[in-house]
Amino acid sequence: ETGVTQTPRHLVMGMTNKKSLKCEQHLGHNAMYWYKQSAKKPLELMFVYNFKEQTENNSVPSRFSPECPNSSHLFLHLHTLQPEDSALYLCASSQDWLAGKETQYFGPGTRLLVL
Amino acid sequence: SQQGEEDPQALSIQEGENATMNCSYKTSINNLQWYRQNSGRGLVHLILIRSNEREKHSGRLRVTLDTSKKSSSLLITASRAADTASYFCATAAGGTSYGKLTFGQGTILTVHP
Repeated sequence: ETGVTQTPRHLVMGMTNKKSLKCEQHLGHNAMYWYKQSAKKPLELMFVYNFKEQTENNSVPSRFSPECPNSSHLFLHLHTLQPEDSALYLCASSQDWLAGKETQYFGPGTRLLVL
Repeated sequence: SQQGEEDPQALSIQEGENATMNCSYKTSINNLQWYRQNSGRGLVHLILIRSNEREKHSGRLRVTLDTSKKSSSLLITASRAADTASYFCATAAGGTSYGKLTFGQGTILTVHP
């Protein structure tokens, strides 16, 4: 248990559906991240939020829309996804990288299957 | 281009043996981190080594960093079946890239009882 929770743990959706992934961290951290992990590919950073402000968008298609209402919660809104978007989506948080606290704490992930 | 690359891609050993995994990277870093992932689960942080450090220990883990060769190694001593997992190195560039980790493809470690 890392203090980062993700829901749902598994999600199956059609290409025309709209769904959202939720991440919550109970660690008092200031930064939150979304990663995508596909089979046989390195973990890909998607978005970074620091103090609720987006500081990184790693050329992610607009069918993925992040939302960070506060430092404890992070959402990833999904719409009109493609089968190649099927992957494990991981959320992470870290305390304050400017203070040298760069260790990231990961949630268990949401396994997404797009049909 | 991919920053961290692990070697070997897969490693199979017997319980009690040592396991060594290597990571190479291409650009300057602020720190390098090692993470572990059990099948299909989230990653767990193992150890962080900064660019001005050469070696760090944590329990049965030993990490070295050679910035001149842009490489790091993770040694797990006296391995156990429970160490079976994927191990990833991740580099942090620092500067305006603070908070951004670049992961390698990982080494799959199997420890046989």
